[in-house]
Amino acid sequence: QVQLQQSGPGLVKPSQTLSLTCAISGDSVSSNTAAWNWIRQSPSRGLEWLGRTYYRSRWYNDFAVSVKSRITISPDTSKNQFSLQLNSVTPEDTAVYYCARSGYYAEYFQYWGQGTLVTVSS
Amino acid sequence: QSALTQPASVSGSPGQSISVSCTGTSSDVGGYNYVSWYQHHPGKVPKLMIYDVSNRPSGVSSRFSGSKSGNTASLTISGLQAEDEADYYCASYTSTKTVVFGGGTKLTVL
Repeated sequence: QVQLQQSGPGLVKPSQTLSLTCAISGDSVSSNTAAWNWIRQSPSRGLEWLGRTYYRSRWYNDFAVSVKSRITISPDTSKNQFSLQLNSVTPEDTAVYYCARSGYYAEYFQYWGQGTLVTVSS
Repeated sequence: QSALTQPASVSGSPGQSISVSCTGTSSDVGGYNYVSWYQHHPGKVPKLMIYDVSNRPSGVSSRFSGSKSGNTASLTISGLQAEDEADYYCASYTSTKTVVFGGGTKLTVL
């Protein structure tokens, strides 16, 4: 059974960088059949897919156009986890952030982290 | 990539059936059988209800079903129950190797 455990601060100041980590158990961040995603949810935007990282003989990333210029998603194979960095945040980035697993030719999210409410405020 | 279009709200009485539509384009919903549906109770983690248009994960009630015609996918819930009251989101893989969600539909059980 795949389990995802999120960690990171719940308050970030405007213009700074939002950083979250998702620790994986029951699977490997280097799996050739998984992809590791970040998704956020806010009352104004609903669910919004942000991006993912995955390994298929080498590392790949895909990002939503809305955040492509500000986002980094990185795997950490030594700790079997992956992270999200979102730069130059504004109050519009206030949301509950989730990590989630999808699969190879399995473009759905069956396993989710517990969610982290991140508030952007000075 | 624009969000998929869902009705803002639907409602039904216990025991009735309702459907939620999810309209995209030939670059997402119409181009791939990678439509999924999620149930979201506020304050909880979203739950996968349907994947690959019409497949139910283990443990999801058979009252939930999915279908697709052209660029529009649909989620149908039969035999409505009070606990079905939640927000429902569709999602689709896209031609640019991204995923796009719908705007969400609030289901009210009257």
